[in-house]
Amino acid sequence: EAGVTQFPSHSVIEKGQTVTLRCDPISGHDNLYWYRRVMGKEIKFLLHFVKESKQDESGMPNNRFLAERTGGTYSTLKVQPAELEDSGVYFCASSPGTSGAGEQYFGPGTRLTVT
Amino acid sequence: DQQVKQNSPSLSVQEGRISILNCDYTNSMFDYFLWYKKYPAEGPTFLISISSIKDKNEDGRFTVFLNKSAKHLSLHIVPSQPGDSAVYFCAASARVVTGANNLFFGTGTRLTVIP
Repeated sequence: EAGVTQFPSHSVIEKGQTVTLRCDPISGHDNLYWYRRVMGKEIKFLLHFVKESKQDESGMPNNRFLAERTGGTYSTLKVQPAELEDSGVYFCASSPGTSGAGEQYFGPGTRLTVT
Repeated sequence: DQQVKQNSPSLSVQEGRISILNCDYTNSMFDYFLWYKKYPAEGPTFLISISSIKDKNEDGRFTVFLNKSAKHLSLHIVPSQPGDSAVYFCAASARVVTGANNLFFGTGTRLTVIP
């Protein structure tokens, strides 16, 4: 079974540009999460999808960030326009809808560098 | 503001000995705790979890202990192996109380097991 995949693995953009990150969850997982780790700090929650619906977007830092999950499969996270403080590693995770244990399965992350 | 804390950024242990990684939390609504292991350029990998109704959970060489009154948990690895060298993240959620499954992470502890 394929794990969570993320694309690209690394992106370098200039301040003011737009970047779109993609996440493909484990097949059949209804829950999809986005997290971010800024250098040396903790991994922080951004938002949670259940199928195509946003269940919780309390962690989204501001309206420059837009997440979508059309059709309840893959998800995209767009940053527009990017700022220097957006640099970090963006992780996507997924979990099955009836998971009783609560663990989430993480992708390898996208390292975003804004210069 | 940080609700999950790992105060030791690094730990070195001899192969074969016990590794003890510590984690403290401040939010009394947390009811589920997890440990993740992370290798460079990879996403966090689920290791072991514990519900707040228990005080110990064991899986092979890994044991997690929870002390709710002290809001403290620890991960014991016995015996430690060089392959255990990685960054370990403690995480927590308040899924039963709040219905939210988003995870709150600590900043991680880098474990080095010396052969």
